[in-house]
Amino acid sequence: NAGVTQTPKFRVLKTGQSMTLLCAQDMNHEYMYWYRQDPGMGLRLIHYSVGEGTTAKGEVPDGYNVSRLKKQNFLLGLESAAPSQTSVYFCASRNGPLYEQYFGPGTRLTVT
Amino acid sequence: AQSVTQPDIHITVSEGASLELRCNYSYGATPYLFWYVQSPGQGLQLLLKYFSGDTLVQGIKGFEAEFKRSQSSFNLRKPSVHWSDAAEYFCAVGGGTASKLTFGTGTRLQVTL
Repeated sequence: NAGVTQTPKFRVLKTGQSMTLLCAQDMNHEYMYWYRQDPGMGLRLIHYSVGEGTTAKGEVPDGYNVSRLKKQNFLLGLESAAPSQTSVYFCASRNGPLYEQYFGPGTRLTVT
Repeated sequence: AQSVTQPDIHITVSEGASLELRCNYSYGATPYLFWYVQSPGQGLQLLLKYFSGDTLVQGIKGFEAEFKRSQSSFNLRKPSVHWSDAAEYFCAVGGGTASKLTFGTGTRLQVTL
């Protein structure tokens, strides 16, 4: 099993550009999450999904959209990137409330 | 609202010394508690978790943590630190149907030889 994979690993965007980050998991997990990690702030939840076709807002959702059209994939979109969205983005998945979250390796995004 | 406080931003210990990383949480119901470790440039790896039962939980790499409900704490300990333990450590609390986790801001551990 590959576990949780994220594409791409690195990306540089100019302000106003758009992009989509892809998260894929091969563990048949129901729950998937997108976090951002910034120095001194830990991980903050952007959006999450409790099943195929469902999404919900987390702690810091502004400027991001998500979709979960297939159970194994969770996409994070930035429609108009801003320098404040420079961060490391982590995807995670889990099988339910009594299970740990498994994390992907992260995507380092820089917006200039 | 749930929250996690890790009061120590940075800790330095000598190799072979004991370690305790502090974690205090706020949660309205019975919490699910986790400790994750992150090496530089890597994702997060689970060290241990507490859901219920024995309040002293054992994890990987020789780590353990003790849940103290009266103190709202879940401190991480290791009797003898190895140089390879140098990393950032995150405490997290969660629960509920959506299983959302709230993370602390992390403690960076430096190990001197």
